[in-house]
Amino acid sequence: EAGVAQSPRYKIIEKRQSVAFWCNPISGHATLYWYQQILGQGPKLLIQFQNNGVVDDSQLPKDRFSAERLKGVDSTLKIQPAKLEDSAVYLCASKRAVFDEQFFGPGTRLTVL
Amino acid sequence: GDSVTQMEGPVTLSEEAFLTINCTYTATGYPSLFWYVQYPGEGLQLLLKATKADDKGSNKGFEATYRKETTSFHLEKGSVQVSDSAVYFCALTVYGQNFVFGPGTRLSVLP
Repeated sequence: EAGVAQSPRYKIIEKRQSVAFWCNPISGHATLYWYQQILGQGPKLLIQFQNNGVVDDSQLPKDRFSAERLKGVDSTLKIQPAKLEDSAVYLCASKRAVFDEQFFGPGTRLTVL
Repeated sequence: GDSVTQMEGPVTLSEEAFLTINCTYTATGYPSLFWYVQYPGEGLQLLLKATKADDKGSNKGFEATYRKETTSFHLEKGSVQVSDSAVYFCALTVYGQNFVFGPGTRLSVLP
């Protein structure tokens, strides 16, 4: 079974630029998460999708971050415009059902200069 | 809101030493508790979990017991190996929603 795929793996941009990350969850997994992991900290949940609907986006900075999950499969997370404090690893995770284990992708390391 | 507190690292041990990493939590509902591990250069992996009070999760020689009375889920291993060097995260979720992670504890095991 293929794991959670993310791209790109690394991205360097200047502040005020835009950036987008892509996630392909494990086939058949209805729930998809995006997390932000700042160096030295634990992952912080940004948004949770159930199929193509948003379950929780309470910690998503909506003035600059947006996410979508078209057709309930792939998802993209966008930052526009980026700030220095957005430098982090962005993790995507998915799971099949509510009480199942979540599987993490390798992450995208974003550096904002 | 829900939160997880872990002992600060880094923790440095010699091979075959006993490991304890403390984790305590606060939650508004009845949480499920997890330990995740992140090996150098790799993604997060589930190490073990417990879904109700007094449950013991175990995997790869690691154990943790869900203690509702002390709101704790401490990770233990009787004899650590160099290959256990990693960052360990305690986490919780209530009804499968709103995953909350602790800050992580870095473990280094010396030969």
